[in-house]
Amino acid sequence: DQQVKQNSPSLSVQEGRISILNCDYTNSMFDYFLWYKKYPAEGPTFLISISSIKDKNEDGRFTVFLNKSAKHLSLHIVPSQPGDSAVYFCAARGGGGADGLTFGKGTHLIIQP
Amino acid sequence: ETGVTQSPTHLIKTRGQQVTLRCSSQSGHNTVSWYQQALGQGPQFIFQYYREEENGRGNFPPRFSGLQFPNYSSELNVNALELDDSALYLCASSTQKGRNSPLHFGNGTRLTVT
Repeated sequence: DQQVKQNSPSLSVQEGRISILNCDYTNSMFDYFLWYKKYPAEGPTFLISISSIKDKNEDGRFTVFLNKSAKHLSLHIVPSQPGDSAVYFCAARGGGGADGLTFGKGTHLIIQP
Repeated sequence: ETGVTQSPTHLIKTRGQQVTLRCSSQSGHNTVSWYQQALGQGPQFIFQYYREEENGRGNFPPRFSGLQFPNYSSELNVNALELDDSALYLCASSTQKGRNSPLHFGNGTRLTVT
């Protein structure tokens, strides 16, 4: 059973427009959420995170929104740039203790010129 | 500030053999965790070490074991390799300054079991 779901395997967006990546989760114990970006042959790179006590966190071109009642979060990238083309992973942590991150399967974002 | 480094980058082993993967944590990080990423999947949590002791484990059998050393470097050992162990193995480090600190990943070791 997948506790973190990214239902879009791929997404194509024009350069300069907004990219919106979505993520749903089922475990109500999750209290910390992260987005990672991954290029081929590299490890995931941390982008932005949000604690469950917030509903929005912004860092430059990246904004993460959290809707706890819907168990849904999204990553907005604006404006989208060619270097943003990568696989994006949503991850969650919760339940207390030294629990690891639970990842979704990723969304491949393609920025078209 | 050096990032997380892993060795080797690629490895080919035969079913039934044992393998050791190595990781050097990012400077200043005292917590290390290991993840397995199969093709087309997200990374899956194997275990985490803090102060040289395992303090969290995912749904992996005991033939997956690890060590953390006083300099915060780490090893992942896998015994009795199976074909399904073929994957990218990622090491990540973090600080324990509050639970909400992000993990910083290395580039991984690609293990192929034949």
